[in-house]
Amino acid sequence: GAVVSQHPSWVICKSGTSVKIECRSLDFQATTMFWYRQFPKQSLMLMATSNEGSKATYEQGVEKDKFLINHASLTLSTLTVTSAHPEDSSFYICSARDLRESYNEQFFGPGTRLTVL
Amino acid sequence: GQNIDQPTEMTATEGAIVQINCTYQTSGFNGLFWYQQHAGEAPTFLSYNVLDGLEEKGRFSSFLSRSKGYSYLLLKELQMKDSASYLCAVVDSNYQLIWGAGTKLIIKP
Repeated sequence: GAVVSQHPSWVICKSGTSVKIECRSLDFQATTMFWYRQFPKQSLMLMATSNEGSKATYEQGVEKDKFLINHASLTLSTLTVTSAHPEDSSFYICSARDLRESYNEQFFGPGTRLTVL
Repeated sequence: GQNIDQPTEMTATEGAIVQINCTYQTSGFNGLFWYQQHAGEAPTFLSYNVLDGLEEKGRFSSFLSRSKGYSYLLLKELQMKDSASYLCAVVDSNYQLIWGAGTKLIIKP
């Protein structure tokens, strides 16, 4: 099956710093990547949809200037949490859609656990 | 608005059978996914249904009725490792995934 990696798998940072999370599709080309956030005991919350070579589409309530998304190639998308605060602590998961597949399955990365002190 | 409903939590016994229901109201329909998510991990794909009927895959089966806006995931011969959250997600007319809140399944010995 298609493989998606994320780096780092976990990160601890001080309040006010910026954190970059990478999402890579390892064995397929992903025209679209999705960024989710999941708080403990809650379901996935879609933050933004990222299409290669174009600006990301953010969901309502998600600050685009705080969560910078770059999808520069068909295999890499990055999420940068700028000026992170403790309330940004969460589990961030990316997923990617495979061009070859006709039924829109999303392949998930393993997630990045962010803790802001 | 778009809505996906599934029970918050279910409990079942090891070796038994459990059915997790999902009902949906979405703008268009282009398929329904079931994902399994263990605590602290990303979701993993279980099944995809786009036509009415039952799809069987080992111990897991998924059923879809488009006219009723209804799906279920059936887990047989439950094992302790099946303790997880099960997420129902519908692909809408814009090919976006609409997620349910997930059903936490607790398996008891």
